[in-house]
Amino acid sequence: DIQMTQSPSTLSASVGDRVTITCRASQSISSWLAWFQQKPGKAPNLLIYKASNLESGVPSRFSGSESGTEFTLTISSLQPDDFATYYCQQYNSFPYTFGQGTKLEIK
Amino acid sequence: QVQLQESGPGLVKPSETLSLTCTVSGGSISSSSYYWGWIRQPPGKGLAWIGNIFYTGSTYYNPSLMSRVTISVDTSKNQFSLKLSSVTAADTAVYYCARQEAMTTWALWGQGILVTVSP
Repeated sequence: DIQMTQSPSTLSASVGDRVTITCRASQSISSWLAWFQQKPGKAPNLLIYKASNLESGVPSRFSGSESGTEFTLTISSLQPDDFATYYCQQYNSFPYTFGQGTKLEIK
Repeated sequence: QVQLQESGPGLVKPSETLSLTCTVSGGSISSSSYYWGWIRQPPGKGLAWIGNIFYTGSTYYNPSLMSRVTISVDTSKNQFSLKLSSVTAADTAVYYCARQEAMTTWALWGQGILVTVSP
């Protein structure tokens, strides 16, 4: 199985901050990486697909990038609605695997 | 627009079989553009992929659950289903059904259903 190691587990930040969440794959996944946002009691919501493509309807303050097997989700200027848990997921090969999640908290 | 809705018992006894159905509305399950799948999330924990099915019936399962899981599709009812046998407390989770596109992965999700395994 491809292991997805996500960091940090928890991130405290303020409205307006620029934040970065990292996900490292245990082997090459050829850009087949997605980022999801999940709020309590809700299903995950797709933000980014194929490492850097913004899903329709997602604000442009969200962006994704990659360098080899390291992937990054950046929120350029945090908004109150962005405080949630974020997951990465590889869909290069079965079994699909998720990172363990990053909880973004208000500082 | 297309919507997914999970249904099934919210309480299952240990050693029994968990059975859930996902109903697809507003679109056809028989599209060659999508896979349909199940993902679960134990309370307070992360997401775990269970398996996928294509409308033809082709399936892909997580090896960690393969011996206990069956996913099937009923195109006449526009539904797909999950069966997980010999459940234990470790199978207590919110179960989501979702639609996968090759490029965008899980872009459409159901609201999720909490299934508790308890005597």
